[in-house]
Amino acid sequence: GQSLEQPSEVTAVEGAIVQINCTYQTSGFYGLSWYQQHDGGAPTFLSYNALDGLEETGRFSSFLSRSDSYGYLLLQELQMKDSASYFCAVMEGSYIPTFGRGTSLIVHP
Amino acid sequence: NAGVTQTPKFRVLKTGQSMTLLCAQDMNHEYMYWYRQDPGMGLRLIHYSVGEGTTAKGEVPDGYNVSRLKKQNFLLGLESAAPSQTSVYFCASSYSRSGGNTGELFFGEGSRLTVL
Repeated sequence: GQSLEQPSEVTAVEGAIVQINCTYQTSGFYGLSWYQQHDGGAPTFLSYNALDGLEETGRFSSFLSRSDSYGYLLLQELQMKDSASYFCAVMEGSYIPTFGRGTSLIVHP
Repeated sequence: NAGVTQTPKFRVLKTGQSMTLLCAQDMNHEYMYWYRQDPGMGLRLIHYSVGEGTTAKGEVPDGYNVSRLKKQNFLLGLESAAPSQTSVYFCASSYSRSGGNTGELFFGEGSRLTVL
């Protein structure tokens, strides 16, 4: 089986940097994905890490350490529109993703 | 392209009624999934399919059945709805691992089901 842990809520101010952590336990790991979901909307894909290191896409970056079973999503230059839920998802051998419970990010002016 | 389309978007059922949610994708994806989302629980996998004619159970399959008769469609059925099945249901699709999966799932807009 597998389990993922991520904080339930994170708050930050506009313009700041915030990091959302995700730790996982799996029997056969292939990669870690991140998704964003606004209230009432569908989850949308942000990033995928299969190898150790940092992947950067604009203001968002995602990091993976396979040896530590740990990853994080880094959001820079926070904007009000970044207020949303963020989910990590682990991909195992079956290539069927399992999602964490999500982190609610609240951005204050 | 429409991507992933779910119908209906909203439905209210009485306990014991049956219904089917339809998911259609036009991206020629091999893999399709049904998730349910409840407050504080994230996305939990109900059933999935890795190709036409194949289905498999996910984390929370009880009370649901699925069929994948055509590659582009994935149906989720509730034979006898219960209040515990009140939830938001998301369908998703992706490429297979051999087909170039890069970890990305494409989601539909969700179907909001209430069982009274």
